[in-house]
Amino acid sequence: QVQLVQSGSVLKRPGASVRLSCKASGYDFTTYAMNWVRQAPGQGLEWMGWINTNSGNPMYAQGFAGRFAFSVDNSVSTAYLQITSLKDEDTAIYYCARDRVIDFWGQGTLVTVSS
Amino acid sequence: DIQMTQSPSSLSASVGDRVTITCQASQGLNSDLNWYQQRPGEAPRLLIYAASNLETGVPSRFTGSESGTHFTFTISSLQPEDVATYYCLQYRDYPRTFGQGTRLDLK
Repeated sequence: QVQLVQSGSVLKRPGASVRLSCKASGYDFTTYAMNWVRQAPGQGLEWMGWINTNSGNPMYAQGFAGRFAFSVDNSVSTAYLQITSLKDEDTAIYYCARDRVIDFWGQGTLVTVSS
Repeated sequence: DIQMTQSPSSLSASVGDRVTITCQASQGLNSDLNWYQQRPGEAPRLLIYAASNLETGVPSRFTGSESGTHFTFTISSLQPEDVATYYCLQYRDYPRTFGQGTRLDLK
């Protein structure tokens, strides 16, 4: 069955960087795009963008170009989200979610940014 | 960008009640709309895809329909395990956009 398993919660200082992972199993990783979705505490879902897992080409939603970077390693069926120069407002749960139609979701990674 | 206006933002209902949530799209979606359930502390789960199709394993009390740019999500008989926040998502165009969410609890 399709599974997306994300890396564990992290606590970071402002200004630091973090890389989150999303390991896929149960399907051909390069056949489906991977999306990233952010959910700030007590808030709704916000689409950050997606990456073509075959070509590695990313597309970022407005507001997520610059400090956010999507990448993939097809050899281990894993997608990554890197966030640099972390700010307090980056505190959120980050989800990976499969395909252009967004069908399966990872369990989420909580990133807490605090001094 | 396609705007998704979801309503209500919250509602309370009793077990057995019929519950309806709507999403209004700012332009045509060609049925490219999903409905998700997010229980507290969990990731979203796909319930309805392509506006009216029930995802495998999802109880039949959940249904979706569309009329032009107006989309409706219905729970025919509310169960305690349905307490959650529900979201619509359009995947007709980029950027993908979610509705604001509807928080459903028991009266």
